[in-house]
Amino acid sequence: DAGVTQSPTHLIKTRGQQVTLRCSPISGHKSVSWYQQVLGQGPQFIFQYYEKEERGRGNFPDRFSARQFPNYSSELNVNALLLGDSALYLCASSSGQGAYNEQFFGPGTRLTVL
Amino acid sequence: GENVEQHPSTLSVQEGDSAVIKCTYSDSASNYFPWYKQELGKRPQLIIDIRSNVGEKKDQRIAVTLNKTAKHFSLHITETQPEDSAVYFCAAPLYSGAGSYQLTFGKGTKLSVIP
Repeated sequence: DAGVTQSPTHLIKTRGQQVTLRCSPISGHKSVSWYQQVLGQGPQFIFQYYEKEERGRGNFPDRFSARQFPNYSSELNVNALLLGDSALYLCASSSGQGAYNEQFFGPGTRLTVL
Repeated sequence: GENVEQHPSTLSVQEGDSAVIKCTYSDSASNYFPWYKQELGKRPQLIIDIRSNVGEKKDQRIAVTLNKTAKHFSLHITETQPEDSAVYFCAAPLYSGAGSYQLTFGKGTKLSVIP
């Protein structure tokens, strides 16, 4: 039984570029959340999607956007990359909506902005 | 603003000793408190969680206690083993506006178990 998968594993971009990260949830899970984890810190909430609708947004600029597809997979887009966007981006899926359900994390995408 | 504070940031214990990590939260409406373990280079994994209808929960060598009045909860690991070495994160759902809650993490505790 596959867990949460993310692609790509690693990514190197330059300032000003755009990036798209992908996530596939556990089969049967309808909620996907995105987190940014800077080295030495805890994951910071970016977005939650449930049943293809945005259900929560963290304190991130409008350069960050996301969407969820009919098969419940999700994409996170970041425009106009800054050096400070370098981080591990984690996707988590859960069976229910909201922050009260166990979050199952993917392996993450390591983004480096040069 | 709403936050979750975690202490200590680093903790070293001798193998076989106990380890305790503490967290406080700001939103009195929070009623779900998970703990995640993240080994180096790996994803966070849930090790135990507690809901506010109980004050303590145990799973083998791991226990979590909750004090809703004081808004703090703690992770207790007994008989520590080298494989317990990792970064541990507490989390709580904090209100983020428009009727939604977001899972907010502490900054983590790096636990080192010395053989």
